[in-house]
Amino acid sequence: DIQMTQSPSSLSASVGDRVTITCRASQGIRNDLGWYQQKPGKAPKRLIYAASSLQSGVPSRFSGSGSGTEFTLTISSLQPEDFATYYCLQHNSYPFAFGPGTKVDIK
Amino acid sequence: EVQLVESGGGLVKPGGSLRLSCAASGFTFSSYNMNWVRQAPGKGLEWVSSISSSSSYIYYADSVKGRFTISRDNAKNSLYLQMNSLRAEDTAVYYCARGDRLFMCDYWGQGTLVTVSS
Repeated sequence: DIQMTQSPSSLSASVGDRVTITCRASQGIRNDLGWYQQKPGKAPKRLIYAASSLQSGVPSRFSGSGSGTEFTLTISSLQPEDFATYYCLQHNSYPFAFGPGTKVDIK
Repeated sequence: EVQLVESGGGLVKPGGSLRLSCAASGFTFSSYNMNWVRQAPGKGLEWVSSISSSSSYIYYADSVKGRFTISRDNAKNSLYLQMNSLRAEDTAVYYCARGDRLFMCDYWGQGTLVTVSS
């Protein structure tokens, strides 16, 4: 089974900061990875698919990169509405697996 | 507009059973794989099960294999999760989510809470 790790597990940042979250897969998953944002009490929302493609309607300050085993989600200029928990998901092979999440809160 | 609406959650005793439903609208349901994902209170997301568009391929997480059964009725635009032999650790919000590959989990329902407790 493919294991997913994320770093950091949490971070504190200010509005306007550039934020980078890393997701690593225990074996190569090509670009079969998505990034999701979840706010308390709400369903997750997909931000990025195929590792680097921006979901329609998602602000361009979000970007994704990577392939194989290492992936990053970058928020170029953090906005108040971006404080949330972020998850990666590998769907290259079953069982699919989410990363453990990265909580982004206000410094 | 794509909509996914889960139902069927509730309080059940350990060892009991529950059947979750997910009603889909706004897209051609029969053309998409579907998934169940759960989230225990205060915890992260966990993939539970996937079913292909024609029900030919079905996959489960090890944590639910042999106890949960995913199914779908394309005529009714509905996805189901039959949960048997429930345990306390199955307590979670259960989400249905559309798709695979480029559409993997692109739309989610609002979730339904399952609580397993005596």
